Amino acid sequence: EVQLVESGGGLAQPGRSLRLSCTTSGFTFGDYAMTWVRQAPGKGLEWVSFIRSKVYGGTTLYAASVKGRFTISRDDSKNIAYLQMNSLKTDDTAVYYCARENDNVWGSGRYADYWGQGTLVTVSS
Amino acid sequence: QSVLTQPPSASGTPGQRVTISCSGGSSNIGRNTVNWYQHLPGTAPKLLIHSSNQRPSGVPDRFSGSKSGTSASLAISGLQSEDEADYYCAAWDDSLNGWVFGGGTKLTVL
Repeated sequence: EVQLVESGGGLAQPGRSLRLSCTTSGFTFGDYAMTWVRQAPGKGLEWVSFIRSKVYGGTTLYAASVKGRFTISRDDSKNIAYLQMNSLKTDDTAVYYCARENDNVWGSGRYADYWGQGTLVTVSS
Repeated sequence: QSVLTQPPSASGTPGQRVTISCSGGSSNIGRNTVNWYQHLPGTAPKLLIHSSNQRPSGVPDRFSGSKSGTSASLAISGLQSEDEADYYCAAWDDSLNGWVFGGGTKLTVL
């Protein structure tokens, strides 16, 4: 059974850092891209970042709203994806979801088929 | 302001057919396929339709998707109370080099 479990959320002050983890099981982690999506209170889903599999160079991409502050990484030996969040802003308050993406195509045909339950990040002084 | 445009709400009675639209542009829906997700806040989003019109295994055939030009739509036939949820469309945007989502449509089963 495919499982993704996010952890590491919590309360942080503006300007501080948090690291989220996405622990996975039930599939060959190294074959998939991993993506982070967030949902701010009362808002819709917003893509944050993704990292391709090492077969495709481990390319990373970021939404403009987090570029330069967030860093995505992966540890294929532990089947975990990470999201390092620095210089946090109150606008980063959201539930953060990780999801796996098929990585054998680019653009058309890509999709996130399994998602975690999310972890809440609250940025407040 | 979401890059993809969806109606904020939709409704129907049990057994009815409802459609949810998703409008984009030439850099996203116009060039790439569309995915649809069903989401109940606090739970894991669920992939309903991928590649514009493909249903993952386990998704009932009551759900169907289509795409034409820079717009897409999700149709739900034989509406059931359990279909009450938020629905999001998503597509890869070649200009932004990232995923873009619609603002979500809250479906109410009356």
